[in-house]
Amino acid sequence: SQQGEEDPQALSIQEGENATMNCSYKTSINNLQWYRQNSGRGLVHLILIRSNEREKHSGRLRVTLDTSKKSSSLLITASRAADTASYFCATDEEAAGNKLTFGGGTRVLVKP
Amino acid sequence: NAGVTQTPKFQVLKTGQSMTLQCAQDMNHNSMYWYRQDPGMGLRLIYYSASEGTTDKGEVPNGYNVSRLNKREFSLRLESAAPSQTSVYFCASSNHRGPAYEQYFGPGTRLTVT
Repeated sequence: SQQGEEDPQALSIQEGENATMNCSYKTSINNLQWYRQNSGRGLVHLILIRSNEREKHSGRLRVTLDTSKKSSSLLITASRAADTASYFCATDEEAAGNKLTFGGGTRVLVKP
Repeated sequence: NAGVTQTPKFQVLKTGQSMTLQCAQDMNHNSMYWYRQDPGMGLRLIYYSASEGTTDKGEVPNGYNVSRLNKREFSLRLESAAPSQTSVYFCASSNHRGPAYEQYFGPGTRLTVT
């Protein structure tokens, strides 16, 4: 079973627009991570937010975490064609130990 | 540093054949993982190794075996391949002993079982 579920499953935007995707999960977590996967490649870590943090920034990325709603969002500002990729959230469950559980991903297409 | 390397990149097997997927990391990480990714889906954990000498089952271990050969290498073996094992396989590594930190992924092995 998948702990994190992303929404929407797919997103198409114009270059320069912002892209927002959401992740919901079911159990208590130590942290939540976001990864990017370009077509045919491995996943690349983007950002990690701990359970006691509410917001984190990295360049054009902004991640929020609401543990009361068991949800997180990833915002990509001023998107570029190079941001076209699939984005996955991954949760580190408190009881799981050393493991991440990945969601199904959001496919983002940024049109030039 | 090469990071996480996987071999082979592509493989086609007939049903019932066996093969071993190789993974190595040069970052001195303690933990290593094997995932599978089916089309349009996220990653599912097959097996992981929290440290050299230990391995544990993940979400979908049936039909697979693993060996943590040393700190650098973690192999995944399919003893008798089945069409349901057609997938892309990713190896990853991480340097933590407690709560999970970021994982570093290899480029993947595309496996087709006919």
